[in-house]
Amino acid sequence: GIQVEQSPPDLILQEGANSTLRCNFSDSVNNLQWFHQNPWGQLINLFYIPSGTKQNGRLSATTVATERYSLLYISSSQTTDSGVYFCAVEGYNFNKFYFGSGTKLNVKP
Amino acid sequence: NAGVTQTPKFRILKIGQSMTLQCAQDMNHNYMYWYRQDPGMGLKLIYYSVGAGITDKGEVPNGYNVSRSTTEDFPLRLELAAPSQTSVYFCASSPSEAGGYNEQFFGPGTRLTVL
Repeated sequence: GIQVEQSPPDLILQEGANSTLRCNFSDSVNNLQWFHQNPWGQLINLFYIPSGTKQNGRLSATTVATERYSLLYISSSQTTDSGVYFCAVEGYNFNKFYFGSGTKLNVKP
Repeated sequence: NAGVTQTPKFRILKIGQSMTLQCAQDMNHNYMYWYRQDPGMGLKLIYYSVGAGITDKGEVPNGYNVSRSTTEDFPLRLELAAPSQTSVYFCASSPSEAGGYNEQFFGPGTRLTVL
């Protein structure tokens, strides 16, 4: 299967700081998604971004498919941003999705 | 739309017992998936289905079975539960539309403990 590596594994921020999370993948992919898993375990869709750049409020994401990576930017972080951020990619065959191990973010007031 | 729903939310099983985790979606999505998430880890695909009557194995299928008799429902069956199956189970669906759009949407999860 496709290997998905996320960095950093852990991140502590002061409220108001900016951060960049990275997702590298080992093969060509059809699709890529970013999720936020909140402290209650719920998986929230952030971006569906197989290529290009998207923005949603304080969050934005960029995927460079030819170089096999994606970046998630969080600006002016808030305590509600805390949780785990996952990257998931869909391979070209059989619609299987592969998840990274996540970046655990803790935003302190 | 309710989206993807899962029942039960929590369950404790004894070793050797069996149970079925229920998953339903009302978005008329073709594709459905079952994942497990162990503590501190990402999600791993157990089984998936590309339509009614069609299922296939994911990364970690051992100890599980699935069926897909309708577009809406995709139950996951655990036979002879083992402590290694203690995990949080997530169901997801995606539309797999022409042109490649295939965004996944997740249910709230079922927390299963096997003692």
